[in-house]
Amino acid sequence: KQEVTQIPAALSVPEGENLVLNCSFTDSAIYNLQWFRQDPGKGLTSLLLIQSSQREQTSGRLNASLDKSSGRSTLYIAASQPGDSATYLCAVRLRVGKSTFGDGTTLTVKP
Amino acid sequence: DTEVTQTPKHLVMGMTNKKSLKCEQHMGHRAMYWYKQKAKKPPELMFVYSYEKLSINESVPSRFSPECPNSSLLNLHLHALQPEDSALYLCASRKQGGNTEAFFGQGTRLTVV
Repeated sequence: KQEVTQIPAALSVPEGENLVLNCSFTDSAIYNLQWFRQDPGKGLTSLLLIQSSQREQTSGRLNASLDKSSGRSTLYIAASQPGDSATYLCAVRLRVGKSTFGDGTTLTVKP
Repeated sequence: DTEVTQTPKHLVMGMTNKKSLKCEQHMGHRAMYWYKQKAKKPPELMFVYSYEKLSINESVPSRFSPECPNSSLLNLHLHALQPEDSALYLCASRKQGGNTEAFFGQGTRLTVV
């Protein structure tokens, strides 16, 4: 059974800081890994999708990396802004079946 | 257009009521999903539809009844719910195939009284 862990559970940083969120998974036979953002009481917004054959993906200030062999992915946020405050979830999709979500990291960026 | 639209946004229902949640997408996605999310927890998969056929039912109680009338619409019919069923219900879709991006709606906040 795939287990997905996100560390830290919560993170508070001052505006402008670069930061890294971590996602680890136990089964390396994955199709892809997707990072989402969720604002309180809202749905999930897709940030980045990394295929199993890829090492990283970039979108604006966001960069996600994937190391399948070690079962790890990181989401790097450059020059953080208060508007980045949200919960960040990673979801790992296995070759057969469904996606498994981590519990998320709640980020607060202070002005 | 990468939008998944869910209605209503909020719903309050009594334990004897019957109500339905609706989800719509026009991206041509043939895989559609219902998730349940409790506060401060990740989404939990409930149902998966593939080409309008139910492919995964995660042992969800029968008081939740999904329906996929066509390739753009997904419904979740609710009947005789319990207060512990109060949660955010999320719909998602993706193109068929494994290496595709999932898109989520904004959810329906359900309160059972």
